[in-house]
Amino acid sequence: DGGITQSPKYLFRKEGQNVTLSCEQNLNHDAMYWYRQDPGQGLRLIYYSQIVNDFQKGDIAEGYSVSREKKESFPLTVTSAQKNPTAFYLCASSILLGDTEAFFGQGTRLTVV
Amino acid sequence: AQKVTQAQTEISVVEKEDVTLDCVYETRDTTYYLFWYKQPPSGELVFLIRRNSFDEQNEISGRYSWNFQKSTSSFNFTITASQVVDSAVYFCALSGRSGGGADGLTFGKGTHLIIQP
Repeated sequence: DGGITQSPKYLFRKEGQNVTLSCEQNLNHDAMYWYRQDPGQGLRLIYYSQIVNDFQKGDIAEGYSVSREKKESFPLTVTSAQKNPTAFYLCASSILLGDTEAFFGQGTRLTVV
Repeated sequence: AQKVTQAQTEISVVEKEDVTLDCVYETRDTTYYLFWYKQPPSGELVFLIRRNSFDEQNEISGRYSWNFQKSTSSFNFTITASQVVDSAVYFCALSGRSGGGADGLTFGKGTHLIIQP
């Protein structure tokens, strides 16, 4: 089945550690996104990528990094510079950037302990 | 800058009642797209509808209907004869190219809809 797979579903991190969230899609979509969701808040854009080897900062990119070496994969690294990393992270993809419907993964809940 | 406002944080109705979720947006773009997504307890967002700024025709899909009014910058969502399975958080979102760059979707904060049996 085509879709977006995020792993792991739950992730615990110690303060000061970097951690990488996986996002894989087999929809042949060019555009991919990472969003952060906090309780009672909408989704805020962290990074997005329009095409392989290209990515742009979103509204809250500080403390995060990404790579887009393959069309199917868009991993997100939460670095120790991110002051408040505990949140729900959602990855999405779409055929084109912005104007077409995005398909979302099931999310990764990151908790800093 | 773009902005989406969903003023209703939480709505609770009894099953079979009709319910409308409000969405008001702000954008400087003349061409833009509006979306509604549903987020069930499982967490992933499920796409419901996409509407472009030039198409103000209302749309109905089963028990769901959408009212797009450009004059009031609103894109409201109505569920008719609500069911318990409709319980979820619903997000309204906007895309556009303000300033010449495309940057994904701008989401509202969501409305938590609770349908009581």
